[in-house]
Amino acid sequence: SQQGEEDPQALSIQEGENATMNCSYKTSINNLQWYRQNSGRGLVHLILIRSNEREKHSGRLRVTLDTSKKSSSLLITASRAADTASYFCATDARVRNSGGSNYKLTFGKGTLLTVNP
Amino acid sequence: EPEVTQTPSHQVTQMGQEVILRCVPISNHLYFYWYRQILGQKVEFLVSFYNNEISEKSEIFDDQFSVERPDGSNFTLKIRSTKLEDSAMYFCASSEAEYQETQYFGPGTRLLVL
Repeated sequence: SQQGEEDPQALSIQEGENATMNCSYKTSINNLQWYRQNSGRGLVHLILIRSNEREKHSGRLRVTLDTSKKSSSLLITASRAADTASYFCATDARVRNSGGSNYKLTFGKGTLLTVNP
Repeated sequence: EPEVTQTPSHQVTQMGQEVILRCVPISNHLYFYWYRQILGQKVEFLVSFYNNEISEKSEIFDDQFSVERPDGSNFTLKIRSTKLEDSAMYFCASSEAEYQETQYFGPGTRLLVL
């Protein structure tokens, strides 16, 4: 089954430093997504990279995808204390039904990022 | 900005009791999902729902689970006879349209079964 596995499990850095989190998966994917979860809150979508893309940027976020290695990385530049959260990668698989198509997500265990002020 | 809401935020129940977890998806969204996260473990897909029927369900989603969209705004997850291992955070999510990969998650309901 498709699974994202992030590493490291936990990362602690100082404000202003860059944070890099990695994700590996097992089978071919449609897209790979990154989500953030603040403590006790829901998951917030950050960025999606398609299987035919190699790199994508959104603000301070940079995502890379290497389908030959079945891996992705999320880089947060110039980190802030407010970036403290758990970060999850998720692969998606299309779900077919009589009316159309949508997607189910398969998440990894996540990386807990702590940015110290 | 529109958001997915869930009630209650916390629920404590006795083993064997029925619980209903409620969600209000974003109003123009058409696809609805439930996921759960056991403490310290991955977020796991439970079920997807579209056009008043289940599109897909995982192995976790056995006969003790059911989903319903009783009106135009609510989406519910019912667990008929809770077990200790049902203790988890349950997340509702919705997506806007066909081929929309991004899902919008609610804040979750923490369920504790004693």
